[in-house]
Amino acid sequence: GAVVSQHPSWVICKSGTSVKIECRSLDFQATTMFWYRQFPKQSLMLMATSNEGSKATYEQGVEKDKFLINHASLTLSTLTVTSAHPEDSSFYICSARDWRRGPEGNTIYFGEGSWLTVV
Amino acid sequence: SQQGEEDPQALSIQEGENATMNCSYKTSINNLQWYRQNSGRGLVHLILIRSNEREKHSGRLRVTLDTSKKSSSLLITASRAADTASYFCAPIKGGSEKLVFGKGTKLTVNP
Repeated sequence: GAVVSQHPSWVICKSGTSVKIECRSLDFQATTMFWYRQFPKQSLMLMATSNEGSKATYEQGVEKDKFLINHASLTLSTLTVTSAHPEDSSFYICSARDWRRGPEGNTIYFGEGSWLTVV
Repeated sequence: SQQGEEDPQALSIQEGENATMNCSYKTSINNLQWYRQNSGRGLVHLILIRSNEREKHSGRLRVTLDTSKKSSSLLITASRAADTASYFCAPIKGGSEKLVFGKGTKLTVNP
């Protein structure tokens, strides 16, 4: 079953508003989570690495003030798209690393993704 | 971080046939993970193979790893239409390395 939950699955917002997407690890603690963006028929583009208790590490070309990431607990990271514009419309996916020992150790699980449409 | 390069980029087969896709990478790894993505959905973790393993099975999936050639293969046996998806590999060196993806293999299984 799903071990990483992402919410909402889809959201429509007006241009200029902000929208928050949540990523939760359900049965493990995730000190590290990753946020991706995916355009139609393209691969996933890593936006940032979210670290619990510290600032996120952004990839080159990703605006920190535009895409705010907060990793306040070991099971929750949020991505806030601020002052959204139509070009921000995309599919956003999060993932979380499971550090537990055993066969599942170091597996990275993904959420179901969130479709954002800015009108 | 490094990304895997999947090959072929597209594969079309008939239901019941086997599908093989390959992944190449450039530097040493701790493990390699395979994922499936259905259109418009998130990625589903399929299998993790560690650097000291050569082959691993999970249901109809068989994954091999050749660290000397820096390559891995994913075999799906007796394919079904529901296997139609994009498949991605992720070579992981370890630690807090970030996960970067290539273009994937788009598999189409025709009924």
